[in-house]
Amino acid sequence: GAVVSQHPSWVICKSGTSVKIECRSLDFQATTMFWYRQFPKQSLMLMATSNEGSKATYEQGVEKDKFLINHASLTLSTLTVTSAHPEDSSFYICSATFEGSKNYNEQFFGPGTRLTVL
Amino acid sequence: KQEVTQIPAALSVPEGENLVLNCSFTDSAIYNLQWFRQDPGKGLTSLLLIQSSQREQTSGRLNASLDKSSGRSTLYIAASQPGDSATYLCAYGGSNYKLTFGKGTLLTVNP
Repeated sequence: GAVVSQHPSWVICKSGTSVKIECRSLDFQATTMFWYRQFPKQSLMLMATSNEGSKATYEQGVEKDKFLINHASLTLSTLTVTSAHPEDSSFYICSATFEGSKNYNEQFFGPGTRLTVL
Repeated sequence: KQEVTQIPAALSVPEGENLVLNCSFTDSAIYNLQWFRQDPGKGLTSLLLIQSSQREQTSGRLNASLDKSSGRSTLYIAASQPGDSATYLCAYGGSNYKLTFGKGTLLTVNP
């Protein structure tokens, strides 16, 4: 149980284009979803927190107009990287929590999406 | 600002050895502490989660401990195997439900 999927698993795009990454909770309704970014040989850095039906809360230094987050349902959140540039190339990972999990507020992580901007 | 430090950054051991990975954090108002495994180019695999009210958790050959007063957690791996080779991340969970990750320890177990 508590499976989170991401799509696509990897994507290559040209500089200036936009890319959408999906995060789905497959067997539970997610109370909250989180988006992280991981640069090579670095740790995960939280980008934003989102709850279904409300605006995402972005961490300091993360441009909300560049990283658009939509959380339209209890099982789906999307991250859109707008006007992507090579410095946006990174590994993007989402996670989700749900009420009633064995460990309250435990985050369950997706497999990640590798974005390469040429 | 919460900081999580993991020592050592890299560790290489022969197969069969017992080993300890260390994690320290600066804020004692911890909610939970999680240990993850990450294989190259892959996502996170949750290993153990310790709530603030607990002192340790065990799963198979893994044992994680938490000492809130000293701001430390350790992950003990018994009888290491080549398949244990990966990066191990610890994450501090605060009352704001957010996780703060350390930079990880890259473990190599040599056959």
